[in-house]
Amino acid sequence: GENVEQHPSTLSVQEGDSAVIKCTYSDSASNYFPWYKQELGKRPQLIIDIRSNVGEKKDQRIAVTLNKTAKHFSLHITETQPEDSAVYFCAAGSGGGADGLTFGKGTHLIIQP
Amino acid sequence: DAGITQSPRYKITETGRQVTLMCHQTWSHSYMFWYRQDLGHGLRLIYYSAAADITDKGEVPDGYVVSRSKTENFPLTLESATRSQTSVYFCASSAGYTGELFFGEGSRLTVL
Repeated sequence: GENVEQHPSTLSVQEGDSAVIKCTYSDSASNYFPWYKQELGKRPQLIIDIRSNVGEKKDQRIAVTLNKTAKHFSLHITETQPEDSAVYFCAAGSGGGADGLTFGKGTHLIIQP
Repeated sequence: DAGITQSPRYKITETGRQVTLMCHQTWSHSYMFWYRQDLGHGLRLIYYSAAADITDKGEVPDGYVVSRSKTENFPLTLESATRSQTSVYFCASSAGYTGELFFGEGSRLTVL
């Protein structure tokens, strides 16, 4: 089955700086790569996703890049703000994610004032 | 629009007891999922369902049973709870064609 590795497990950045979280996956059949944000005590929520026919996708301050050859994808957050503090999960799946996603173990992003 | 709801939100039980966690969605999504979340393990898929009466095992199905007699409901049963099943359980649904998962609020289960 799919295996997703996520790094780092904890990331502390100064407010206003950029944050980068990286994930690798093992199954070349995976074609859907979403990122979820989970605030303390809340449910995970989708923030951005990318499919295998796209190399990069941006949405305001967040962007995701995908390298299918190397089987890795990354989340980039620019101009970080206090409300970006949360746990971020990457995931990989096939069939548009309809068969279930395999999640990384999460990155706790801490924004220092 | 309630979306996707789970009950109970909090449950304490004892080893060996049967526990059922309920999940209900109002979107008529075809796909439904159960994940467990544990510190250091992220979210792990227990079972999923592509439609009513169709279920399949995920990564960690042992000790759990699911059913889906109606599209909107997807209960998860722990037939004989063990301490290792202490966790936060998230139900999720998806329309399938987008892949986006919509999570419920979670059910925190403690097995003593």
